[in-house]
Amino acid sequence: EIVMTQSPATLSVSPGERATLSCRASQSVSSNLAWYQQKPGQAPRLLIYGASTRATGIPARFSGSGSGTEFTLTISSLQSEDFAVYYCQQYNNWPPNTFGQGTKLEIK
Amino acid sequence: EVQLVESGGGLVQPGRSLRLSCAASGFTFDDYAMHWVRQAPGKGLEWVSGISWNSGSIGYADSVKGRFTISRDNAKNSLYLQMNSLRAEDTALYYCAKGLAAAPGAFDIWGQGTMVTVSS
Repeated sequence: EIVMTQSPATLSVSPGERATLSCRASQSVSSNLAWYQQKPGQAPRLLIYGASTRATGIPARFSGSGSGTEFTLTISSLQSEDFAVYYCQQYNNWPPNTFGQGTKLEIK
Repeated sequence: EVQLVESGGGLVQPGRSLRLSCAASGFTFDDYAMHWVRQAPGKGLEWVSGISWNSGSIGYADSVKGRFTISRDNAKNSLYLQMNSLRAEDTALYYCAKGLAAAPGAFDIWGQGTMVTVSS
């Protein structure tokens, strides 16, 4: 089973600044990597798939990069609504699809 | 409006069974893979099971393999999860999720979830 490891566990950033979240796969997942945002009491929302393609309706300040085993989600200028938990997920070899443990993005 | 609505959760004793349902609307259900994802209280996301559009490909997480069965009825626009031999560690909010057309293993639409609590 492919293990997804996200870092850091918690990231403190001020509004308007850039946030960079990392995700590492235990083996190559090619570009079959998605990012989700989850706010308290809500279902997750798809942000990025194919490592770098924004899902429908996702603002351009969200961008994804990477391939193979190393991936990054960048939020270029943090808005108040962006503070949430972010998960990466590989779907290269499913089953199983596997999620990372999440990164909590909090206001500094 | 594209929508997924889960039902069937509740409180159940260890070792008993429960069947979850997910009603889909607003899209052509039989064009897409569908999945179940769960989230234990205060924890992260765990993929549980997935099924292709025609039920030809099915997969399970190791943690539920042999106990859970996923199925779908395209005529009824519905997805199901039969959960047998339930354990305390199965306690979670269970989400139904739709696979993306371009990437069936990524989930672009999620329901609001149905809570399953396994306890004596």
